Amino acid sequence: GAGVSQSPRYKVAKRGQDVALRCDPISGHVSLFWYQQALGQGPEFLTYFQNEAQLDKSGLPSDRFFAERPEGSVSTLKIQRTQQEDSAVYLCASSLERVPYEQYFGPGTRLTVT
Amino acid sequence: SQQGEEDPQALSIQEGENATMNCSYKTSINNLQWYRQNSGRGLVHLILIRSNEREKHSGRLRVTLDTSKKSSSLLITASRAADTASYFCATAYLAQKLVFGQGTRLTINP
Repeated sequence: GAGVSQSPRYKVAKRGQDVALRCDPISGHVSLFWYQQALGQGPEFLTYFQNEAQLDKSGLPSDRFFAERPEGSVSTLKIQRTQQEDSAVYLCASSLERVPYEQYFGPGTRLTVT
Repeated sequence: SQQGEEDPQALSIQEGENATMNCSYKTSINNLQWYRQNSGRGLVHLILIRSNEREKHSGRLRVTLDTSKKSSSLLITASRAADTASYFCATAYLAQKLVFGQGTRLTINP
């Protein structure tokens, strides 16, 4: 079946531009997560949704980062006024269970801010 | 911030040999998971071990967990070229989020 998909796969933005990254989770998955992965590092948690409710946004690095999942399915991660330090791979994951069991990850969006 | 450290940071072995990677973590956990990441393919879940388990097997993978030492190990037996990837441990506690280590880059030489 279809896995988690993310678009775009690659994004180059000039510093100061706004970007929007999209995640399509596996159909029926209740939970959706966003992670940020810097080069050579492990993923770091950004935010978590259960259906349309954003239950944890403790990992968002600044108020320039905003995520939404208005209908409990597709999610968008928006970064305003991008900075060079925002360059990273942004990973989306979804899971079926209400406890943190196996999370299914998308291929990620590689964001480069120039 | 990362949960802990993985050791070694990089490992290079010959095809057919066994590969062992270690992970240490800092806080209490409900479960610990191992993921593999190939370039361009994203993270793939390999195995989950619960905090009340000590060892788990899946195919050529063997995972151990020592909660008293806050450490885990992943053993890949009879390695293949296709096992070349980065391997991450990730822990989960009460929160839904996973906390990842920094990963081990494994290279299998033919």
